[in-house]
Amino acid sequence: QKEVEQDPGPLSVPEGAIVSLNCTYSNSAFQYFMWYRQYSRKGPELLMYTYSSGNKEDGRFTAQVDKSSKYISLFIRDSQPSDSATYLCAIGVDDMRFGAGTRLTVKP
Amino acid sequence: DAGITQSPRHKVTETGTPVTLRCHQTENHRYMYWYRQDPGHGLRLIHYSYGVKDTDKGEVSDGYSVSRSKTEDFLLTLESATSSQTSVYFCAIRGGSANEQFFGPGTRLTVL
Repeated sequence: QKEVEQDPGPLSVPEGAIVSLNCTYSNSAFQYFMWYRQYSRKGPELLMYTYSSGNKEDGRFTAQVDKSSKYISLFIRDSQPSDSATYLCAIGVDDMRFGAGTRLTVKP
Repeated sequence: DAGITQSPRHKVTETGTPVTLRCHQTENHRYMYWYRQDPGHGLRLIHYSYGVKDTDKGEVSDGYSVSRSKTEDFLLTLESATSSQTSVYFCAIRGGSANEQFFGPGTRLTVL
């Protein structure tokens, strides 16, 4: 079993839809939870991070952590074609573990 | 822009040849990382460094070595490249308020 599991998709939605991306993890010691966005043939860029449990909102993006279920989510409201990318969850600090990434396409 | 460059950006080589990839940072960060990214596996840590001459192994270190003689440079070496090492390699540095990692543009390596 991988330490971080993420559905690879692909996920295709119409413009304006609400998108839900999810990961599960196995090591309860993790405290830092991050979401990266990666455009085609580019390096990942940090989108959001949360520490411990709870929600964090940044514009159209909301990151949610449920440590009791070892489950993290990223919600995108009013999705735009420019949101089309691969989204990777990441957990930890030094020995960071990444999910496989979910490829999202937002169609105009 | 986190001030990270990688060279070369693309390389094609033959099985059995040595290959060195370079990561250069301009912001004096202590921690640097090398990852490989493959379909279905996401990003996997190869080696990381927590200072000059201080390095440690990651999840997939077999077949790779690293060196860091200066704060700004972190080198990844494949002593004898194999086809299984065909991948996209990313360098990262650690910084920011949450100790998040910032990634370079990547090196696409093909081993024939």
